[in-house]
Amino acid sequence: KAGVTQTPRYLIKTRGQQVTLSCSPISGHRSVSWYQQTPGQGLQFLFEYFSETQRNKGNFPGRFSGRQFSNSRSEMNVSTLELGDSALYLCASSSARLAGKETQYFGPGTRLLVL
Amino acid sequence: SQELEQSPQSLIVQEGKNLTINCTSSKTLYGLYWYKQKYGEGLIFLMMLQKGGEEKSHEKITAKLDEKKQQSSLHITASQPSHAGIYLCGADIDSGGSNYKLTFGKGTLLTVNP
Repeated sequence: KAGVTQTPRYLIKTRGQQVTLSCSPISGHRSVSWYQQTPGQGLQFLFEYFSETQRNKGNFPGRFSGRQFSNSRSEMNVSTLELGDSALYLCASSSARLAGKETQYFGPGTRLLVL
Repeated sequence: SQELEQSPQSLIVQEGKNLTINCTSSKTLYGLYWYKQKYGEGLIFLMMLQKGGEEKSHEKITAKLDEKKQQSSLHITASQPSHAGIYLCGADIDSGGSNYKLTFGKGTLLTVNP
């Protein structure tokens, strides 16, 4: 089975721009979660989608949004980029996301640099 | 405050030595996961613990969950340079309203000197 794939792997943007990141989960997985990883804050939960519905959301401003398509692929959008948005964005998929029962498998991440 | 505390933050050991990394939750956790990450890359799943007292092993890595203490420990026996990396614990923590979120510790950077 192919793993979780994320595109693009690297991205450079300037402040004020917007960016869209893509995540393709493992075949058959319906849950996709997004995380932001920075040296200072570590790994932080952004949001989770299951069957095209957002099920859970972390403490991030409204500039961060996402969606999931019928084929379970997910996109994450960040508008009006700020320098502090520079981070490694990780996507993870699982089959159902039952708490404590389903393992999340992570993609390689998209490294975003905001100048 | 951090919901999931990992200790130590970093660890340098000589090849062949044993080591332990701890992960403690300040809230009720539903499941505990251990991941390994090479710098700047995605997370590699190591193991998942669900029940108190549960212990799992993967090659020379063993993890145990103490549900009472809301704590898990990861042990590496006879460490090798290939064990080097960042070890992250994650846990499904109650975030209110029947919701939960996968929360991570800050990670432990392990260096194994040959």
